[in-house]
Amino acid sequence: GIQVEQSPPDLILQEGANSTLRCNFSDSVNNLQWFHQNPWGQLINLFYIPSGTKQNGRLSATTVATERYSLLYISSSQTTDSGVYFCAGGYGAGTALIFGKGTTLSVSS
Amino acid sequence: DTAVSQTPKYLVTQMGNDKSIKCEQNLGHDTMYWYKQDSKKFLKIMFSYNNKELIINETVPNRFSPKSPDKAHLNLHINSLELGDSAVYFCASSQALLVNNEQFFGPGTRLTVL
Repeated sequence: GIQVEQSPPDLILQEGANSTLRCNFSDSVNNLQWFHQNPWGQLINLFYIPSGTKQNGRLSATTVATERYSLLYISSSQTTDSGVYFCAGGYGAGTALIFGKGTTLSVSS
Repeated sequence: DTAVSQTPKYLVTQMGNDKSIKCEQNLGHDTMYWYKQDSKKFLKIMFSYNNKELIINETVPNRFSPKSPDKAHLNLHINSLELGDSAVYFCASSQALLVNNEQFFGPGTRLTVL
């Protein structure tokens, strides 16, 4: 099955810093999502991005489907960005997502 | 107007008991899922279900069973609870389209087995 590798596993930033999180897939996916799990445990959808580039405020994501990786950019980080960032992918309609192990981000003021 | 809701949010129970977690989605989606998040925060699919097909992850014990009374609900029943079942369980839903299969997750149910 598909394997998902995320890096780095942990990231510590000062408020205002920028960061890049990476997700590699062992096989092709046509569904790819980025999530933020906040300290209260909620999984918040950030991007649905099987290919291309999207931006939402200080966050943006790029997926290069042919090379089987995706990047999540966080600019001008804030303490509220802290939590775990997951990428997940799958292939086909109505199929389950395979999750990476996540990147734990801590932003301090 | 929560999109995917779960009840209860917290569930504390004794080993050997039988319990259920309810999930409802009001997005009009045709596919629903149950995921388990373990103590190391690893998320893994348990079931995916639409009105035609149930797909079970082969590693899920048969003490776990999904039940769908209608397209908007997928409940999770767990028999003979064990200590290792303690985890956070997430329900999700999607419209199973090749062009957009984005999944939306409920708030999670934290199950503690004593």
